[in-house]
Amino acid sequence: AQKITQTQPGMFVQEKEAVTLDCTYDTSDPSYGLFWYKQPSSGEMIFLIYQGSYDQQNATEGRYSLNFQKARKSANLVISASQLGDSAMYFCAMREGGEKLTFGTGTRLTIIP
Amino acid sequence: GAVVSQHPSRVICKSGTSVKIECRSLDFQATTMFWYRQFPKQSLMLMATSNEGSKATYEQGVEKDKFLINHASLTLSTLTVTSAHPEDSSFYICSASFLLRTGSDEQFFGPGTRLTVL
Repeated sequence: AQKITQTQPGMFVQEKEAVTLDCTYDTSDPSYGLFWYKQPSSGEMIFLIYQGSYDQQNATEGRYSLNFQKARKSANLVISASQLGDSAMYFCAMREGGEKLTFGTGTRLTIIP
Repeated sequence: GAVVSQHPSRVICKSGTSVKIECRSLDFQATTMFWYRQFPKQSLMLMATSNEGSKATYEQGVEKDKFLINHASLTLSTLTVTSAHPEDSSFYICSASFLLRTGSDEQFFGPGTRLTVL
């Protein structure tokens, strides 16, 4: 079974609208962390937001928020007021126990002016 | 912020040659470094985990004799692709792990190295 599933290979969103990128995960470890990274065409991986499995509140970082639904094992990324510069690949990742990250297949987000 | 550099950013080589890629943590000492491989339009796949002064731990299916990893110091890890072939052409990304004050580890990624083997 896939540990991280991103079901949206590509999304097109109008500028200034909010967008939700889906991520579901699979783990039996009670302690884990969930990450979202942005990868623009240049290739670098940019850390966006982190949610720990024991965190009571959803993580927020500026325009990014993480909709963490533990019972459903989902950790969707919400980007508010999208901008043209948000166009990129977005990867959801999970860390269980140790330091290794497992990445999803990614979602290519395109912001339309 | 924590910065990780990679050198070179791009390399083109002939089949059969070896290529060395450096990964450096510029302003912090990394407890652990990781090497990933990314094929076009695909996700990052972990190749190996590297700790300073010890042998790297390779993921299943990754040939340790093909992808040599040396972690000489807390700020430098190198990946050598030996006897490179066209199928080794890929985007190689390293990351360095840093222990935050909160007690959690965070990985900072390098900008990646695009390897093309002719």
